[in-house]
Amino acid sequence: QKEVEQNSGPLSVPEGAIASLNCTYSDRGSQSFFWYRQYSGKSPELIMSIYSNGDKEDGRFTAQLNKASQYVSLLIRDSQPSDSATYLCAVKGSGGYQKVTFGTGTKLQVIP
Amino acid sequence: GAGVSQSPRYKVAKRGQDVALRCDPISGHVSLFWYQQALGQGPEFLTYFQNEAQLDKSGLPSDRFFAERPEGSVSTLKIQRTQQEDSAVYLCASSWTSGGAGGQETQYFGPGTRLLVL
Repeated sequence: QKEVEQNSGPLSVPEGAIASLNCTYSDRGSQSFFWYRQYSGKSPELIMSIYSNGDKEDGRFTAQLNKASQYVSLLIRDSQPSDSATYLCAVKGSGGYQKVTFGTGTKLQVIP
Repeated sequence: GAGVSQSPRYKVAKRGQDVALRCDPISGHVSLFWYQQALGQGPEFLTYFQNEAQLDKSGLPSDRFFAERPEGSVSTLKIQRTQQEDSAVYLCASSWTSGGAGGQETQYFGPGTRLLVL
C-alpha cells in the first residue's frame, strides 16, 4: 500500500463546476497535510495546508480533512481553465522532523 | 525576495558520466530537501539537511548519489556514473523549519533540474 494515494485522473470538469480531488494516507499519526499545484513542466506550488479536522477555505479552494478516515480532499469552486494542472497531495508525520510524502498527483482538466 | 534557484535547468549526460546539481535555497531557510520526480509521478524524497547537517538520506537510491550543504546554504546533489534510470527532474525545496505545524514548515520549490542520461 502506498503511503499517500491519489487517483491519477485525468479528472475532467466543465468550466464553472466544482472539482473534487481526493487523497488517502496510511500513517495514522500524520499531522500536516498539503495540496500543491503543478503545471506541466513547472515545479510544485503550495496552494493549501490543513492541520486539523474539518474544512479550511481560501478563496475558491477548500481543503477538507478527516483524520479518522485518513482522508483529505480539495474542492475547487467555479473551476477555470487556468486551474488545469496536476494536484499533488502531500502528508507529513508528527513530531520534530518528519519527511513529507507526496502522492502521484491527480491531473485536472477544466473544459471551457 | 528571491525564491529557490537551481542550476543547471537542463543537463544531458552520457551514461557513466558524473553530474553535479546545484540548489540555492531562500536566504535564511534552515531546512533543505532534495526530491526526484519521474514523469507522471509525484516528487520522491531523496535527502534532507538542517543547516549543514544531513539528517536524513534514506531516499537516496544508491551510493552513486551524494549530497552536501557544507556551509548551511547552497547544496549540491552529485550523481556518479549516471545510469539511464537516473533520468528525471531533480527538485530542491527549502523551508524555515522542518518541525511543528504552521507556515514555517511550508516547503518552497525551485524550478528543478531536468536530467537526461543517454
